[in-house]
Amino acid sequence: EDQVTQSPEALRLQEGESSSLNCSYTVSGLRGLFWYRQDPGKGPEFLFTLYSAGEEKEKERLKATLTKKESFLHITAPKPEDSATYLCAVQASNRGTSGSRLTFGEGTQLTVNP
Amino acid sequence: DGGITQSPKYLFRKEGQNVTLSCEQNLNHDAMYWYRQDPGQGLRLIYYSQIVNDFQKGDIAEGYSVSREKKESFPLTVTSAQKNPTAFYLCASSIRGFGYGYTFGSGTRLTVV
Repeated sequence: EDQVTQSPEALRLQEGESSSLNCSYTVSGLRGLFWYRQDPGKGPEFLFTLYSAGEEKEKERLKATLTKKESFLHITAPKPEDSATYLCAVQASNRGTSGSRLTFGEGTQLTVNP
Repeated sequence: DGGITQSPKYLFRKEGQNVTLSCEQNLNHDAMYWYRQDPGQGLRLIYYSQIVNDFQKGDIAEGYSVSREKKESFPLTVTSAQKNPTAFYLCASSIRGFGYGYTFGSGTRLTVV
């Protein structure tokens, strides 16, 4: 069974205080790891897809990295508008015809104070 | 603009009623999904469909039903058999196959009154 665990559950930062969010996963045959941002009362918004260990992707103040067991979302010099819940999801090749489904973690709620 | 539309945004259900949540996409995606989101529990898969006229149960399908008569549409019915339906429901679509992420709708918040 695919498992995704995100930590911490909640994180409070001061504006400009860099930090990282963690996503640990257990899957048989990772085909993709996805990061999403979700604002309250809205649907998740796609951020990144990582496919293999060692891969990194960046977008503005966010940088996602991937190892064989976990992914990190690094936030550099965050601003209040970065406040949101960040979701991690995995796609595994062990699901046969249902292969395209994603398994999500519970998310990290990030608050950035001015 | 291409996208995925959920309606209504808010829905209230009386005890014993069935209600249907709408999900329409114009992204030409083959695969569509329904997730339920509760505080502290993340997204849980209810049903998914990879092609028209075919769908599979997810992890929490009891008390729900779906249909996929058109590529663009994947409505979800919350039946009276679902004992705890109050939640935020999210519909998503994707290109069929590995390596593709989802595009999500804006969600429907269902409340039992």
